[in-house]
Amino acid sequence: EDQVTQSPEALRLQEGESSSLNCSYTVSGLRGLFWYRQDPGKGPEFLFTLYSAGEEKEKERLKATLTKKESFLHITAPKPEDSATYLCAVQITRGSARQLTFGSGTQLTVLP
Amino acid sequence: DSGVTQTPKHLITATGQRVTLRCSPRSGDLSVYWYQQSLDQGLQFLIQYYNGEERAKGNILERFSAQQFPDLHSELNLSSLELGDSALYFCASSTTGTGGEKLFFGSGTQLSVL
Repeated sequence: EDQVTQSPEALRLQEGESSSLNCSYTVSGLRGLFWYRQDPGKGPEFLFTLYSAGEEKEKERLKATLTKKESFLHITAPKPEDSATYLCAVQITRGSARQLTFGSGTQLTVLP
Repeated sequence: DSGVTQTPKHLITATGQRVTLRCSPRSGDLSVYWYQQSLDQGLQFLIQYYNGEERAKGNILERFSAQQFPDLHSELNLSSLELGDSALYFCASSTTGTGGEKLFFGSGTQLSVL
C-alpha cells in the first residue's frame, strides 16, 4: 500500500538553529514528490517538486533533497516567519489518473 | 493569493443536513481537486475533475458528490451529514490535471456539524 510518513510530528527551533524534516515513502513507481507549506487557516502552498533520486531544489532558507526512499527538507538558519506546517506528498497512479497522497505533516515552530 | 476561490469560508449546520461547497479555480486551470483535512486524518484526496469530467476518485463517501460545470467552477455536495464530517474542505486547481504539476489551493471551507 502506498504510504507517506513524515517526522517529526512537531519541531521547535530557536531562530538560526538549522534542522531537517523527513518524509519517507513507500510507493510503487514514484512520479514526483512535492513539498508544501501550510499556515494556520490557509490552504497548502507549493514549495518544491522532486522527480528523481539525487535531485535537489532550493528556495531561500529551504532545500529539498530526494533519495530512493525518502526526502528531506533542510531549513538553514530559520526565522520565526518559517513557522508553519510542512507537508510532503507523493504522486501515485490509480488507473489512468494520478493523484497526490499527503503525509500528516511536520509542525515547525521557530522561536525568536 | 493562490487565485482559487472557495465559498463559504465557514459553515455551521446540523446532523442529517445537506450542504454545498463552491470552488472557482484559477483562471485557465481546467482541473479541480477536492480534499478533506481533519486533525486525525490529515489531508485526504476526495475527487478530481478535469474539464467537466470526473478523472480520479479517492476516499469519497457515497453521501458526498461533486461536479464541475461548463464555466469550470466546481461544487462539492455533502448530504446526511454526520458529526465526523466536520473538517476543513479544500479545493485545488491545476492547469492540465495530468499529474506532475503543482496544485494551487484555496483557503478552504471550515465545516462544523453540530
